[in-house]
Amino acid sequence: NSKVIQTPRYLVKGQGQKAKMRCIPEKGHPVVFWYQQNKNNEFKFLINFQNQEVLQQIDMTEKRFSAECPSNSPCSLEIQSSEAGDSALYLCASSLNRADERLFFGHGTKLSVL
Amino acid sequence: GEKVEQHESTLSVREGDSAVINCTYTDTASSYFPWYKQEAGKSLHFVIDIRSNVDRKQSQRLIVLLDKKAKRFSLHITATQPEDSAIYFCAASLNTGYQNFYFGKGTSLTVIP
Repeated sequence: NSKVIQTPRYLVKGQGQKAKMRCIPEKGHPVVFWYQQNKNNEFKFLINFQNQEVLQQIDMTEKRFSAECPSNSPCSLEIQSSEAGDSALYLCASSLNRADERLFFGHGTKLSVL
Repeated sequence: GEKVEQHESTLSVREGDSAVINCTYTDTASSYFPWYKQEAGKSLHFVIDIRSNVDRKQSQRLIVLLDKKAKRFSLHITATQPEDSAIYFCAASLNTGYQNFYFGKGTSLTVIP
């Protein structure tokens, strides 16, 4: 069973609505990734953190997506104004290190934008 | 940027046979190649990895081969069992200090009893 906890498992939003999902990384893992997996199983990297610091993020993330990993609180990914194309499985993963280290994935949050 | 291609989208083998899943990558700087398994209703989990300083790694029934010249790596599952049925994803990572993984599209493996 995954020790990376993602909530909620399913999220349904209307276009233009905010969508927020949370992730608790595995204990002791300072590095957190967010990926978007579409229905064709394609992974798109969104953002990653080491502790509270953003390491990398894609341009898309900078516009409608925001994410944070505050200390002593779950990490979160928020889409400010959901679009139909945002419908996907959002995967959170954590790792011990920021280089050459396996990822531990959560079950994901399946977002449906109607 | 890096692009990882996973060549078999589906694969069926008989129980006890071997299964081979092939991936190619484009960036010669990629140095870390993990494989993940996704079973129905479960999260992706790590199965095996290989680093660019070796060309073969084995963990029980799993063997990973890496051919850096051809920019190709493969997962071999020997003596397959029904519980090996799952979607397998390959990935590549550039060790730039800020790792980012590039994933293949997955291979759905069915082991027929």
